[in-house]
Amino acid sequence: AQSVTQPDIHITVSEGASLELRCNYSYGATPYLFWYVQSPGQGLQLLLKYFSGDTLVQGIKGFEAEFKRSQSSFNLRKPSVHWSDAAEYFCAASNTDKLIFGTGTRLQVFP
Amino acid sequence: EPEVTQTPSHQVTQMGQEVILRCVPISNHLYFYWYRQILGQKVEFLVSFYNNEISEKSEIFDDQFSVERPDGSNFTLKIRSTKLEDSAMYFCASRGRTGAETQYFGPGTRLLVL
Repeated sequence: AQSVTQPDIHITVSEGASLELRCNYSYGATPYLFWYVQSPGQGLQLLLKYFSGDTLVQGIKGFEAEFKRSQSSFNLRKPSVHWSDAAEYFCAASNTDKLIFGTGTRLQVFP
Repeated sequence: EPEVTQTPSHQVTQMGQEVILRCVPISNHLYFYWYRQILGQKVEFLVSFYNNEISEKSEIFDDQFSVERPDGSNFTLKIRSTKLEDSAMYFCASRGRTGAETQYFGPGTRLLVL
């Protein structure tokens, strides 16, 4: 069955530290891959997406993600986290129409 | 920048009542979706809609649920007889045709069934 896994439920980092959020997918073929962010009480905002081509994709707010086919991974990174990055981050995949989401990673940022 | 809007932002209803959640997708988009997120859980696909008919639906989307695009701008989700377990945040999403795989989400409607 198609699935998206985010192994880290909760991550805490200090402001200014680097960040990597993990995402693995299980699909028959490489799906389209997305990262969304959800601030408390808010909707889902698209950070970045991967369809094909360059495996390192840049997104908004200084985020980037790297697609690694050999590891079925699409990890999200940011070199220096800001307090405003505290939110829930969802990895999602699609190869038909519907998006399948991971369970999310809650990011907490300490000053 | 165009965005998906949803109304109401919050709704409280009694079990067994009907609710209609409304969405206005981005104006030139052609594909429409409903997802839900039960508190503390992941976002789950409910239904997709294209060309005035359902393209795909999940097992969650049973006979109590229906969707409609009553005019050129609105996209609604109706729950005929709400259950306690329908309490969730409901997200509408839409996507266009070109470069088309990105779905844009609305802010959600938080439904509480008492």
